[in-house]
Amino acid sequence: NAGVTQTPKFQVLKTGQSMTLQCAQDMNHNSMYWYRQDPGMGLRLIYYSASEGTTDKGEVPNGYNVSRLNKREFSLRLESAAPSQTSVYFCASSGSSWGERLYNEQFFGPGTRLTVL
Amino acid sequence: EDQVTQSPEALRLQEGESSSLNCSYTVSGLRGLFWYRQDPGKGPEFLFTLYSAGEEKEKERLKATLTKKESFLHITAPKPEDSATYLCAVLMTGTASKLTFGTGTRLQVTL
Repeated sequence: NAGVTQTPKFQVLKTGQSMTLQCAQDMNHNSMYWYRQDPGMGLRLIYYSASEGTTDKGEVPNGYNVSRLNKREFSLRLESAAPSQTSVYFCASSGSSWGERLYNEQFFGPGTRLTVL
Repeated sequence: EDQVTQSPEALRLQEGESSSLNCSYTVSGLRGLFWYRQDPGKGPEFLFTLYSAGEEKEKERLKATLTKKESFLHITAPKPEDSATYLCAVLMTGTASKLTFGTGTRLQVTL
């Protein structure tokens, strides 16, 4: 199993350009998440999808949109990139269940390092 | 306001010198506390989940404990390969499966 995969690994954009970050998981997880990580700020939740067909805003959603394409894939779109969106972006997934217990551990991808000039 | 605070921000240990990292939290209701390890340039790697006060989990040289206000990650006889940033996160009641992360402790273990 590959776990959580993200593409691309690195990206440089100019202000105003758009791009989509891709994420896929092969663990049959229900929930998926997008975070950004900035020095001194920790991991901050941008958007999440509790289950296929649903998405909700996290702590820092402005400037981003998401699509839960199917159970495996969750994409993050920057419509008009700004220098403040320079960051490392992580996708994560969680929500395996055994019997009656739902395990909430989140498993992370390797990240996308985005620079906006 | 719900908060997760980790201390110290950075810790330098010699190989074999045991120590503890702290994660204190002020949340309205705790459903679980999670510890992760993050190596430079990589995504966080899951280590432990603790669900209730008094619970302990161990993995190799690491032991995580939980009280009603804080969690400790004890590192016994660390090795240079334990060098990483250690993150804790809390899952609160009423927040579906959203985690709130601390800013981490950067651990460096030298020979």
